[in-house]
Amino acid sequence: DTGVSQNPRHKITKRGQNVTFRCDPISEHNRLYWYRQTLGQGPEFLTYFQNEAQLEKSRLLSDRFSAERPKGSFSTLEIQRTEQGDSAMYLCASSHIQVTDTQYFGPGTRLTVL
Amino acid sequence: DQQVKQNSPSLSVQEGRISILNCDYTNSMFDYFLWYKKYPAEGPTFLISISSIKDKNEDGRFTVFLNKSAKHLSLHIVPSQPGDSAVYFCAASWGTSGSRLTFGEGTQLTVNP
Repeated sequence: DTGVSQNPRHKITKRGQNVTFRCDPISEHNRLYWYRQTLGQGPEFLTYFQNEAQLEKSRLLSDRFSAERPKGSFSTLEIQRTEQGDSAMYLCASSHIQVTDTQYFGPGTRLTVL
Repeated sequence: DQQVKQNSPSLSVQEGRISILNCDYTNSMFDYFLWYKKYPAEGPTFLISISSIKDKNEDGRFTVFLNKSAKHLSLHIVPSQPGDSAVYFCAASWGTSGSRLTFGEGTQLTVNP
C-alpha cells in the first residue's frame, strides 16, 4: 500500500516563471485535494476533485493557478507567472469518500520563488 | 475569520506524563474532526478522528474528546513519548463542504526525556 506521493519535493524558481507539481493519490481514492501551507499556519484548502471533476475552488486560488485531474487518477497543479508570495508548501491529500472521510496527505512540494 | 483555533502555540511535557492539546471551533456546521501530526519537511500524518455524534474516540495512547456545546475538542496522549514531539493540527469539516478541511494553526508539542 503506497501512500500519496508528490513530485518534485522541492522547487526553486525565479519570479515570473511557471511551475507544475504532480500528485499521485492512494490507489482507488476518488477524492483528491490541494492545500497550501505557509510558515506558522495550518494548511489552507485550495481545490478538490471527485474523480476527474473539479468540484470546488477556494478564493485563494487566483487565475494564475490551475489544477487538473484528467483521468481521475493523478493531478497536476500549475502556477503561472509565479510571485514571491507563492512561496509555500503545497500539499496534496486523497480520500475514498464511500469508505471514510479521512484525508491522507503526501509529503508536499516546497516552492521557493526568488 | 479563523474558524478553527489552537490557542497554544507550544506545549512541553515530561516523558510518561499526559499531553493535552486543545482546539476550539466556531462553525456549528462542522460534523467531523481530525487530529494530524506533522514533522518538519513532511506532510501531515493522520492520527485520530471523531464524528459529531460521539463525544470520545480512543486509539491506543490517543484519545480525542469532543464537547459540542462548548465547541471544543482535545487530544490526550498518554503516556507521552519523545517520538511524539511534533506539530499537532486539529482540523474540521462538514458534509456538504466536500469534506474540505479547515485547520487550526498548530501546537508544537515537545516531550522531554
